[in-house]
This record gives sequence, C-alpha cells and structure tokens, in this order.
Amino acid sequence: EPEVTQTPSHQVTQMGQEVILRCVPISNHLYFYWYRQILGQKVEFLVSFYNNEISEKSEIFDDQFSVERPDGSNFTLKIRSTKLEDSAMYFCASRGENNEQFFGPGTRLTVL
Amino acid sequence: AQSVTQPDIHITVSEGASLELRCNYSYGATPYLFWYVQSPGQGLQLLLKYFSGDTLVQGIKGFEAEFKRSQSSFNLRKPSVHWSDAAEYFCAVGARDTGRRALTFGSGTRLQVQP
Repeated sequence: EPEVTQTPSHQVTQMGQEVILRCVPISNHLYFYWYRQILGQKVEFLVSFYNNEISEKSEIFDDQFSVERPDGSNFTLKIRSTKLEDSAMYFCASRGENNEQFFGPGTRLTVL
Repeated sequence: AQSVTQPDIHITVSEGASLELRCNYSYGATPYLFWYVQSPGQGLQLLLKYFSGDTLVQGIKGFEAEFKRSQSSFNLRKPSVHWSDAAEYFCAVGARDTGRRALTFGSGTRLQVQP
C-alpha cells in the first residue's frame, strides 16, 4: 500500500540554525500539506501546496518557513532560523482526488 | 472559521467494554469529517471519514461513527474495545470548497484500556 514517508525521523538543531524536513508524498497525489504538533497539543495546519505553489497557509507559517517541491517526488519544509518554540512533531500529508489526507510518520524536531 | 471540540481529554475503559468518543464541530455547512488515531510516537492513521450519504460510516479496526447534523456531532464508537486500541484519537474537519482543504483538528482524546 502506498504511503507517505518522511526523513529524518528525529532532527536536533541549535537555535538559529536552518533545518529542512523532507517528505515523499504518495506518487499520484497532487495536494500536499505540512502540519505540526507541539508536544501534548493538537495537530495544527501550517501550509498546503498545489500545482507548485502555496494554496493556503496559517498564521504559524511566517517568513521563517518555506516549502518547495524540488523534483517530482520530494516535498520539503524549510525553517530558516529555528526558535525554541519550533520544537514539535512535523507531519507531512498528501491528498488525492478523494479528499482523504494520508499522513507520514512525522519528524520530531528538537531545537536546543 | 471552522473548529472542532473533543470534550473528553482522557477516557479509560475496560477491555471488552463499549466506547464512544465525542466530537462536535463548528462549520457553516456540512464539512468533511474524519477520525484519526495516533499511537505513541507514531503518525496519524485514518480510521474513517464522512463525505456524504449514509450518516453511519464504518471504518477500520471495527470503529464506526455517526454524523448528526442537528447536533453538529460526529461521535466515534466501538462495541468492544481491545487493549491495542489504547491511543490518542483525533476528530478533524475539512472544508468542502476546493480552495481550502486543510484539516482542523480537535485537541484529541487519550484512550486508556484496562485489562
């Protein structure tokens, strides 16, 4: 069964450093998403991406964040200068035409 | 703006007992409705979804949910809980318009199963 994959599973970084989180969506899906979940809190939407551009973003997704689909398979989330409060689990999701979003296993980001 | 409320933060049931997890949503029309399950340290797995039609939907692992428009609810049920069902359960809504399909999640209900 096709699945969304994410790498790395755990990323530790120093405050102020740049991180890139990677996702490989399900191959025939066209809509891609990033969500985050701060420990003990709800899952929050960050950004959606379709047709090589951002289709929607939340208030969390400020200028420190960017997304890219550099090739036909990867979908990345970059945090330019990490802050302590960026520590969270980041989930990638992809959606086909049937409106079901499939989530990856997540990347746990720890900012020290 | 859409929102989701899961009033029960933590529920404990005995193995073999029935289960109902509550979910209420706020949305201008009928949204898409989902239940996801998250085991510790794992990602989100889709249990079931409601788009239209029959208001009682069946999902994986023996779960079902009923959409009640009059109550703006989408409660998750299982007739007999297994120890492996211990996890966190999230209700989510998605808009029907094509421009906005991001999901809004509830705060989750943590299910503990006693032997």
